[in-house]
Amino acid sequence: AQSVSQHNHHVILSEAASLELGCNYSYGGTVNLFWYVQYPGQHLQLLLKYFSGDPLVKGIKGFEAEFIKSKFSFNLRKPSVQWSDTAEYFCAGGSSNTGKLIFGQGTTLQVKP
Amino acid sequence: DVKVTQSSRYLVKRTGEKVFLECVQDMDHENMFWYRQDPGLGLRLIYFSYDVKMKEKGDIPEGYSVSREKKERFSLILESASTNQTSMYLCASSGGQQLNYGYTFGSGTRLTVV
Repeated sequence: AQSVSQHNHHVILSEAASLELGCNYSYGGTVNLFWYVQYPGQHLQLLLKYFSGDPLVKGIKGFEAEFIKSKFSFNLRKPSVQWSDTAEYFCAGGSSNTGKLIFGQGTTLQVKP
Repeated sequence: DVKVTQSSRYLVKRTGEKVFLECVQDMDHENMFWYRQDPGLGLRLIYFSYDVKMKEKGDIPEGYSVSREKKERFSLILESASTNQTSMYLCASSGGQQLNYGYTFGSGTRLTVV
């Protein structure tokens, strides 16, 4: 069955620390991968997406993610987090055949000032 | 700016009530989705629709139904609300069969069933 899993459920970092959030997917065929962010009290927003080509994709607010096909992974990274990055982060995967996205369990990031 | 609007931000309903959650999008998107969001479980797909009057079950459809009479509106119905349906409900839409732009989400409706 298709699935997306996130390893870290709750991450606490100090400002300026580096961030890496894990995401693994199990899919056959062509997969489209996304990272969404949900700031407190706000709706989910797209951070970045991968469809094909360069496996290192850059998104908004200094975030990037690397697609590693051999590891079925799409980890989210940021070199230096800020207090304003405190939010919940969701990895999602889908196939263009269905247009449906499957979401991971989410990771709550808390950045201490 | 494109928008997905959910009619209520917070709702409190009694067990056994019939509950309607409304979602409207102004992007002329073909696809609309209802998810519920629970801590530690992420977003789980309840129902989705690729076209007017069309609906398909997602991963957790039990206890829910949907209606899509117009392209821009997708309603989620809890026929007889139960306490285990207390959750955050998210509506989303996307254009076409492709996932080129991902989904656009509404702000969510936090439903409490007492």
